Amino acid sequence: GEDVEQSLFLSVREGDSSVINCTYTDSSSTYLYWYKQEPGAGLQLLTYIFSNMDMKQDQRLTVLLNKKDKHLSLRIADTQTGDSAIYFCAEPIKAAGNKLTFGGGTRVLVKP
Amino acid sequence: DGGITQSPKYLFRKEGQNVTLSCEQNLNHDAMYWYRQDPGQGLRLIYYSQIVNDFQKGDIAEGYSVSREKKESFPLTVTSAQKNPTAFYLCASSWGDLAKNIQYFGAGTRLSVL
Repeated sequence: GEDVEQSLFLSVREGDSSVINCTYTDSSSTYLYWYKQEPGAGLQLLTYIFSNMDMKQDQRLTVLLNKKDKHLSLRIADTQTGDSAIYFCAEPIKAAGNKLTFGGGTRVLVKP
Repeated sequence: DGGITQSPKYLFRKEGQNVTLSCEQNLNHDAMYWYRQDPGQGLRLIYYSQIVNDFQKGDIAEGYSVSREKKESFPLTVTSAQKNPTAFYLCASSWGDLAKNIQYFGAGTRLSVL
């Protein structure tokens, strides 16, 4: 199974905020990533955060990083139906040439 | 337009047949990757290549083979030894072994067994 852990499913009403959580493993990771996958498509990079930051905001997206607990979260403000997708967090494993390890993905369903 | 192109979008394999999935990138990236995604699951790394004429096994390489003869191309062959090949296959590329290893993905190939 994945070493990077995510909850499987999140249901949210349109207009509310969504929070997707991730627990990662490698404390030496320099960057952490969030990807979005729409049905039948590849992964699209949403945002990333450098490990010396606690927070990064990019329009409706806010990434929070708690290095002590190795916890990463993605908050989507004013969630829209187009935000329905699977969201993956990913970390590079330094001991493995910075190959990315992905979490199992969180399926977000936005209800009107 | 720069990007990663995977073909075909859908592929069907008969029993005992080898099939090859194409992945081409024009981003001038050094590294390329193949992942397998099963329904409701995350991505598992099959093979990766950080430079032309060199590649390494990922976590689930058995039953698969690759080649990297050109920088822009990284085809994946699903051999008859892969007994459960039905999955969604994703190719990615990146600048390589750097701390900021952003990977860019193709649209995927869905492989099914007849």
